[in-house]
Amino acid sequence: DAGVTQSPTHLIKTRGQQVTLRCSPISGHKSVSWYQQVLGQGPQFIFQYYEKEERGRGNFPDRFSARQFPNYSSELNVNALLLGDSALYLCASSLLTAGELFFGEGSRLTVL
Amino acid sequence: GQQLNQSPQSMFIQEGEDVSMNCTSSSIFNTWLWYKQDPGEGPVLLIALYKAGELTSNGRLTAQFGITRKDSFLNISASIPSDVGIYFCAGRDNYGQNFVFGPGTRLSVLP
Repeated sequence: DAGVTQSPTHLIKTRGQQVTLRCSPISGHKSVSWYQQVLGQGPQFIFQYYEKEERGRGNFPDRFSARQFPNYSSELNVNALLLGDSALYLCASSLLTAGELFFGEGSRLTVL
Repeated sequence: GQQLNQSPQSMFIQEGEDVSMNCTSSSIFNTWLWYKQDPGEGPVLLIALYKAGELTSNGRLTAQFGITRKDSFLNISASIPSDVGIYFCAGRDNYGQNFVFGPGTRLSVLP
């Protein structure tokens, strides 16, 4: 069975640009969470979606937004990129909102 | 907000040695997860704990849910080179939907 898949794996943007990251959860999982992992730190929670509704939001600015589609895949959008947005963006899926998280390989974003 | 601390921050051990690391919280948690992350990859779930005092094993790995519900421990027995990586704990309380992650323990295994 396929695990959590994320795309793109790597991307480079410049300050002020916008980026969209995509995630497909494990088949049967209805919850998707997004985490940001800066080099040398643990993952920081950004959003959780369940059945296309936002169920949680971390302490991130409004430049960050996300959505979940009817097939449970998800997109994370970041507008007006800053240098500090450079990080590994991790998507995790779970069967339920309170379930164990299974992560994808991540999307490595570099902002120049 | 909730914070997790992990100790040690890093450790160097000889192949074959046992390893112990822990995770402490300022809050009471009802679920603990332990992950391993290799460079350039996403975290991989090792063990999940759901009850205070629970002891769960996964091969050479054993994790415990602390009695106070504010800590958890991970032990690795007879370490091997592929154990190298960063180990993260994650916890969730009764009110939060999301998991909070610790800063990680970096493990190096010397041959």
